[in-house]
Amino acid sequence: DAGVIQSPRHEVTEMGQEVTLRCKPISGHDYLFWYRQTMMRGLELLIYFNNNVPIDDSGMPEDRFSAKMPNASFSTLKIQPSEPRDSAVYFCASTQDRGRTEAFFGQGTRLTVV
Amino acid sequence: GENVEQHPSTLSVQEGDSAVIKCTYSDSASNYFPWYKQELGKRPQLIIDIRSNVGEKKDQRIAVTLNKTAKHFSLHITETQPEDSAVYFCAATSIDSNYQLIWGAGTKLIIKP
Repeated sequence: DAGVIQSPRHEVTEMGQEVTLRCKPISGHDYLFWYRQTMMRGLELLIYFNNNVPIDDSGMPEDRFSAKMPNASFSTLKIQPSEPRDSAVYFCASTQDRGRTEAFFGQGTRLTVV
Repeated sequence: GENVEQHPSTLSVQEGDSAVIKCTYSDSASNYFPWYKQELGKRPQLIIDIRSNVGEKKDQRIAVTLNKTAKHFSLHITETQPEDSAVYFCAATSIDSNYQLIWGAGTKLIIKP
């Protein structure tokens, strides 16, 4: 397996634009997590899915953020409209067993909103 | 809910010396404690983990110790090398956190040549 794959690696967008981040988890992993990483706030869990179903989205900062997982091999995180404070590195991770086994992270998407 | 505190936030050691990073947790039911290493510009990657039925675990130059009574666990790196320079994150998980990983804030380890 190629590991968790995220796209794009870098995204620069203007304030107010819609941004869509993509993730392909490792095949066979039942859990998928979206994290945001900033210097100020460290690693923040935004949302996680189990078998394609959103389980906990309490970390999603506000209604501008939404996430979907239409099938076991694909998830998106959308920000609409984007704001400069959304600038961060967004990681997707997948695991076989929630928080009790290794979480495999994608390479991340560095988002810059200007 | 679970809370994980990590210290120090920055640690600078001479190459060849040992480094120790400590984490404390609040939930006595926590039972899984992984450590992740994140090199500059890269993804976090698991380097070692320990479960609550074990007090210590080693893997070459790295080791993790767990003190369940005091609710703290530590990462030990011996004979540090330049490639050990990175940010290290501890985490904990328990049934009370719905098995979500609760992360420490990270420690930036700097290895001085």
